[in-house]
Amino acid sequence: AQSVTQLDSQVPVFEEAPVELRCNYSSSVSVYLFWYVQYPNQGLQLLLKYLSGSTLVKGINGFEAEFNKSQTSFHLRKPSVHISDTAEYFCAVSDLSTGGFKTIFGAGTRLFVKA
Amino acid sequence: ETGVTQSPTHLIKTRGQQVTLRCSSQSGHNTVSWYQQALGQGPQFIFQYYREEENGRGNFPPRFSGLQFPNYSSELNVNALELDDSALYLCASSLAQNGYTFGSGTRLTVV
Repeated sequence: AQSVTQLDSQVPVFEEAPVELRCNYSSSVSVYLFWYVQYPNQGLQLLLKYLSGSTLVKGINGFEAEFNKSQTSFHLRKPSVHISDTAEYFCAVSDLSTGGFKTIFGAGTRLFVKA
Repeated sequence: ETGVTQSPTHLIKTRGQQVTLRCSSQSGHNTVSWYQQALGQGPQFIFQYYREEENGRGNFPPRFSGLQFPNYSSELNVNALELDDSALYLCASSLAQNGYTFGSGTRLTVV
């Protein structure tokens, strides 16, 4: 069964510093990968997605992620964070071998940006 | 382009009661998925509907059921509510597997 592990439950970082949120998945060969952001008392918003092609994916708000098939990882990065990036971030995977209908989410990483 | 709309936003129910949550999907999206998000946790997959048929189900008991209508809107029904059903219920619509558009959720409290 597929699973998603977000290696850090909380990541504190100073404003304008770089950040990496780590995600590993356990699944079959063919997957779609996603990162979502959730602000307090709101639903989730899609940041970026990997479906195929280039392993470096760029998303909204200056975020990017790199798909590493050999390490089954999909880490999220931003070179310089802002206070407004403080939120919960979720990594998610769809396993295409099961028809891709079921997207599994990690437990989330709380990014806290300090002034 | 309208997004995903969920109603109600908040709901308080008594243990043993039944509840219906509603979702209007984004225009053009034919697939609706429902998730349960307990406090401090990631969303857990309940089920998905595609063209009015259940297309997959997570590890939730049969008292969680759903419907999708011809206009692709959807309902989540939960019977015999338990205290552990207290959570944020998220509806997400999609077209194929291009990623979800989520609603803001319904906060259900069971007392």
